[in-house]
Amino acid sequence: KAGVTQTPRYLIKTRGQQVTLSCSPISGHRSVSWYQQTPGQGLQFLFEYFSETQRNKGNFPGRFSGRQFSNSRSEMNVSTLELGDSALYLCASSTRLAARTDTQYFGPGTRLTVL
Amino acid sequence: GIQVEQSPPDLILQEGANSTLRCNFSDSVNNLQWFHQNPWGQLINLFYIPSGTKQNGRLSATTVATERYSLLYISSSQTTDSGVYFCAVESVYSGGGADGLTFGKGTHLIIQP
Repeated sequence: KAGVTQTPRYLIKTRGQQVTLSCSPISGHRSVSWYQQTPGQGLQFLFEYFSETQRNKGNFPGRFSGRQFSNSRSEMNVSTLELGDSALYLCASSTRLAARTDTQYFGPGTRLTVL
Repeated sequence: GIQVEQSPPDLILQEGANSTLRCNFSDSVNNLQWFHQNPWGQLINLFYIPSGTKQNGRLSATTVATERYSLLYISSSQTTDSGVYFCAVESVYSGGGADGLTFGKGTHLIIQP
């Protein structure tokens, strides 16, 4: 099976702009989670989508949003970009057939730089 | 929320050496994974191990859930083992609010030739 794919891999934006990142999960996986990695805060959970519904959300401002489509592909959007949003954004997919006992598989990430 | 501590933060070894990385967590978990982050940033799954022991080649892991810790063993280290190793957990008590995997700060491993 193909792994988790993320596009684009690299992105440069300026403050105040918005950005949309895309994630395609492993075939058959219905859960997609997003994480942000920065040198200062490490890896932090953003949100999880399952069957087009947001299940959980981490402690991030409302500028961070996402959605999931019927084919399980997911997008996350960051509006009004700030310098501190510069980070590696990682997407993970899993089956989530059971409540939580599931392996998460990560994509290669999108490296966002905000100037 | 659940706390995850990894030790040591940095480890420098010679090729061929063995190493043990530790992960302590503050609550009961139903998901624990070990990852290796490659130089390009991708997290590579090593083990899904909420309890018990697993082995995969030169790598093995043990989680003692009752004592809230997990160990990752790397034997006969190679330079390609260099990178950052993360432990990530999901608490059995996760509910509304912040959820998903909680990551430790990682162990930065350098294997010198």
